[in-house]
Amino acid sequence: GIQVEQSPPDLILQEGANSTLRCNFSDSVNNLQWFHQNPWGQLINLFYIPSGTKQNGRLSATTVATERYSLLYISSSQTTDSGVYFCAVVVYNQGGKLIFGQGTELSVKP
Amino acid sequence: EPEVTQTPSHQVTQMGQEVILRCVPISNHLYFYWYRQILGQKVEFLVSFYNNEISEKSEIFDDQFSVERPDGSNFTLKIRSTKLEDSAMYFCASSDRFRTDTQYFGPGTRLTVL
Repeated sequence: GIQVEQSPPDLILQEGANSTLRCNFSDSVNNLQWFHQNPWGQLINLFYIPSGTKQNGRLSATTVATERYSLLYISSSQTTDSGVYFCAVVVYNQGGKLIFGQGTELSVKP
Repeated sequence: EPEVTQTPSHQVTQMGQEVILRCVPISNHLYFYWYRQILGQKVEFLVSFYNNEISEKSEIFDDQFSVERPDGSNFTLKIRSTKLEDSAMYFCASSDRFRTDTQYFGPGTRLTVL
């Protein structure tokens, strides 16, 4: 089956720093989503981005489908950005289920 | 903005008891999903549902699990005889289109089996 690998597994930043999270996937995909899991366990949709680049405030994401990776950029990080970031994909023409990576745990220190 | 809602937010049950987790998907969505996340692990797919029937299920979704859309708004997950290893966060999700659309997740139900 498809492999979804996220790096780094853990990241500690000072408030105000920038970061890049990476998601590699081993097969073609119909759908790629980035989520932020907050300390209460809720999964917050960040981006639906099977290809191309999108921006939302201090966050942006780029997916290069032909090279099977996606990047999530966080600029000017804040303590509220702390939590786990998940990448999830729907494998091309294989059902509609999202397959999640293991996540990157981000801790932003004041 | 429309959102997926789930009840209860937290359920504690005794091993062997039946539990029903409830979800109200976004009103015009057609595809519904249940996922679960054991503490400290990644999110795993359980089942998808479309047109009043299961369209896909994982190996986790055995005979102890069932799903139902009892009316036009609710979507439920039933676990017939809970086990300790069923303790997890259960997420409901919905989407408008198949495969090529954002899946919107509810806030989750934390199930604790004692």
